[in-house]
Order: sequence, then C-alpha cells, then structure tokens
Amino acid sequence: EDQVTQSPEALRLQEGESSSLNCSYTVSGLRGLFWYRQDPGKGPEFLFTLYSAGEEKEKERLKATLTKKESFLHITAPKPEDSATYLCAVQANSGYSTLTFGKGTMLLVSP
Amino acid sequence: GAGVSQSPSNKVTEKGKDVELRCDPISGHTALYWYRQSLGQGLEFLIYFQGNSAPDKSGLPSDRFSAERTGGSVSTLTIQRTQQEDSAVYLCASSQTGVGDTQYFGPGTRLTVL
Repeated sequence: EDQVTQSPEALRLQEGESSSLNCSYTVSGLRGLFWYRQDPGKGPEFLFTLYSAGEEKEKERLKATLTKKESFLHITAPKPEDSATYLCAVQANSGYSTLTFGKGTMLLVSP
Repeated sequence: GAGVSQSPSNKVTEKGKDVELRCDPISGHTALYWYRQSLGQGLEFLIYFQGNSAPDKSGLPSDRFSAERTGGSVSTLTIQRTQQEDSAVYLCASSQTGVGDTQYFGPGTRLTVL
C-alpha cells in the first residue's frame, strides 16, 4: 500500500527564516511526486511534479527536491503570503493514476 | 482559461437525506477524480473517471456513495442516506489524460450533515 508521511505537522517561521518541509513516501514504483499548496477554504493549488531521484524544481522562494525515499520543499526567505498548508502526494506507476496524499504541513510565516 | 468548478460551495443537510455534488472539469480534460478531505486527515481518493472507460470505484467508502459522468464532462457525486461521518470537503480534480498528468483541483464542496 502506498504511504506518504509529511513532517512537521505544523511549522511557524519568522519572515525571512528559511526552512524545509519533509515528505517521506513508500510506493511500489514512483510515477510522480506532486507538491500542492492549499489555502484555507480553497482547493489544492499545483506547485511541482518530480519524476526521478535527483530532480529539482524551483518557483520563486520554493525549491522541491526528490530522493528515492523522500522529497523536501525548501522555503527560502519566506514571506507571510507563503502561509498555507503544503501537501505532498505520490502517483504509482502501476494501476490507475490516482494520488495518495500526506496529511500536509501547515506553515505560518509571521511578519 | 476556466478552472475546475464545483457546486454548491457549501451544503448543509440532515442525517438520512440524499445529496448531490457537481463538478465541471477543465474543458478538454478526459480524466476526472473525486477526493474527500476530512478534518485532520489527508485527501482520500473516492472515484476516478477516464474517458469512456469503466470508472475506478475502489475508493468509495460504502454503497451509499455513487458517481456518474455524463458526456465525458460534468460529474455528479451522490451520497444517499447521509451520515454525520460523511461531513467533509469533497474535492474534484481533472487532468488532461490521466496517467502522469497534473491534477487540477476545484474549490471543493463543504458538506455538513447535522
């Protein structure tokens, strides 16, 4: 059974204080690992897809990396508007294309 | 272009009533998914439609849940004889072809069963 574990559950940062969110996964064969951002009362918003170990992707203050067992979402010099819940999900390369999600990391960035 | 839309945004119902939730996917997307997000839980897969193929219903929690997709576009999730544990946010997503594609989510329908 595919599993995704995210840590920490919650993270509070000061504006400008860089940090990383972790996503550990077990999957029979990884087709893709997805990062989403979710604001309160809204649906998840797509950020990145990573397909193979060693791959990295960046968008503004966010950088996602992937190994064979985990992914990190690095946040550099965060701003209050980066406050949200960050979700990680995996898609297996067998069977259907559904996503298995972690429970998310709730990030709060204080000014 | 327009994203995934869902209606209603909020639904309050009494235990035992039936409810219908609607999803309009992104135009041209052949794959459509329903997920459920309960408080403190991750998103839970419910059902997946791909083109004209038989849907993957493996995530439906009970036979009170059903879904259909008409004309390869709009989808309706129906919950019969609602229970309090059905209270959650129901999210719909669509992707261009399904396999390996990014899933784009709608805003969700918040269902409250009293």
